[in-house]
Amino acid sequence: QSVLTQPPSASGTPGQRVTFSCSGSSSNIGNRYVYWYQQLPGTAPKLLIYRNDQRPSGVPDRFSGSKSGTSASLAVSGLRPEDEGDYHCASWDDSLSAVIFGGGTRLTVL
Amino acid sequence: QVQLQESGPGLVRPWETLSLTCSVSGVSVNIGSYYWNWIRQSPEKGLEWLGYIYYSGSTTYNPSFKSRLTVSLDMSRNQFSLNLKSVTAADTAVYYCARSYSYGHFDYWGQGTLITVSS
Repeated sequence: QSVLTQPPSASGTPGQRVTFSCSGSSSNIGNRYVYWYQQLPGTAPKLLIYRNDQRPSGVPDRFSGSKSGTSASLAVSGLRPEDEGDYHCASWDDSLSAVIFGGGTRLTVL
Repeated sequence: QVQLQESGPGLVRPWETLSLTCSVSGVSVNIGSYYWNWIRQSPEKGLEWLGYIYYSGSTTYNPSFKSRLTVSLDMSRNQFSLNLKSVTAADTAVYYCARSYSYGHFDYWGQGTLITVSS
């Protein structure tokens, strides 16, 4: 069981807005940055959001991140079929002294 | 452009040592801005960060693997490596190498290599 909690699945139709949640504690999200990764089928994870809400160059502004207290969220607007895949959150945990990942949420575009 | 590529044996016998190499191109591993990481992924445990090495040679390991893990740097070949001792079936996973700016900020990943532990 992961230290960062993510729902196992989410779904939406093309054009919709979908939100992914990531729940942690004061030893991680509460006092550390959150990062989000997109993993399309058969590929390595790709950085989507860094430092809670920053987008790397090349990531569309359809993707946005936020953090509040010990939880973080990733929103995807204007959903596209090619967005289908797994979405992982990550942070540093001060108690474990390690980078930790959530279990990932699998997005299905209906 | 920055590229990372893992190489390894594919199959490792139980209780032996897993050795992997990550070949880096497009950037020198001898730059102080980045950390060079190993991460693995299995269906049972998801993504797990194993540890990193800095250009100075200093390392930080996930405490869960610290007793079995060694990460080293070869600046002459622009590579870094992983040695994981006494592997068991629980170490079967896709192993990724990745560059990071800081804890959790992995901006470039290799494609991953599947390692199976079996006799």
